[in-house]
Amino acid sequence: SQKIEQNSEALNIQEGKTATLTCNYTNYSPAYLQWYRQDPGRGPVFLLLIRENEKEKRKERLKVTFDTTLKQSLFHITASQPADSATYLCALDNYGQNFVFGPGTRLSVLP
Amino acid sequence: DSGVTQTPKHLITATGQRVTLRCSPRSGDLSVYWYQQSLDQGLQFLIQYYNGEERAKGNILERFSAQQFPDLHSELNLSSLELGDSALYFCASSVAPMGASSYEQYFGPGTRLTVT
Repeated sequence: SQKIEQNSEALNIQEGKTATLTCNYTNYSPAYLQWYRQDPGRGPVFLLLIRENEKEKRKERLKVTFDTTLKQSLFHITASQPADSATYLCALDNYGQNFVFGPGTRLSVLP
Repeated sequence: DSGVTQTPKHLITATGQRVTLRCSPRSGDLSVYWYQQSLDQGLQFLIQYYNGEERAKGNILERFSAQQFPDLHSELNLSSLELGDSALYFCASSVAPMGASSYEQYFGPGTRLTVT
């Protein structure tokens, strides 16, 4: 059955450093991959979308890569700030046939 | 503010009861999604509607049902409630259904359901 894994459950980094979050999947062939941010008790907020034929996407301090051979996406936050502390979720989309979220990684940026 | 509204914000009810959760999508969005999020399960996709029609089904129990009305608002009905149904229920909307293209989803603030 399909499986999505994200990093460890929690990731602590120092302010100003680059945070790198990982999304690995098996038994799935996503056409698209999305990343969301979720703060405690609130709904997820869309950040970035990347297509299977795109290697990299950037938006301000955010960068996403998508490697369909490795079945992996990396999500980078450069010059991280305490305000970036949240849970980050990857979501896989196979042309709407099967849209699934990963378990999330809780990021803490320490001042 | 995502533009998606959900009511009620909190709901406390007893086992065996039935509740209805309501969602109004963002203006212009035709697709509505329902998700359940509990501490040990993460965000689980339940069901998707597009312009009034059921589009995709996830891990939705038979005790749960949903519909999307002509004005595009949606309701999720949960019946014969069990303790394990306690969770945050999110509604999300997108401009179009996932298919040939993928679309960002806008999530509402959620309804926290507690079954006692």
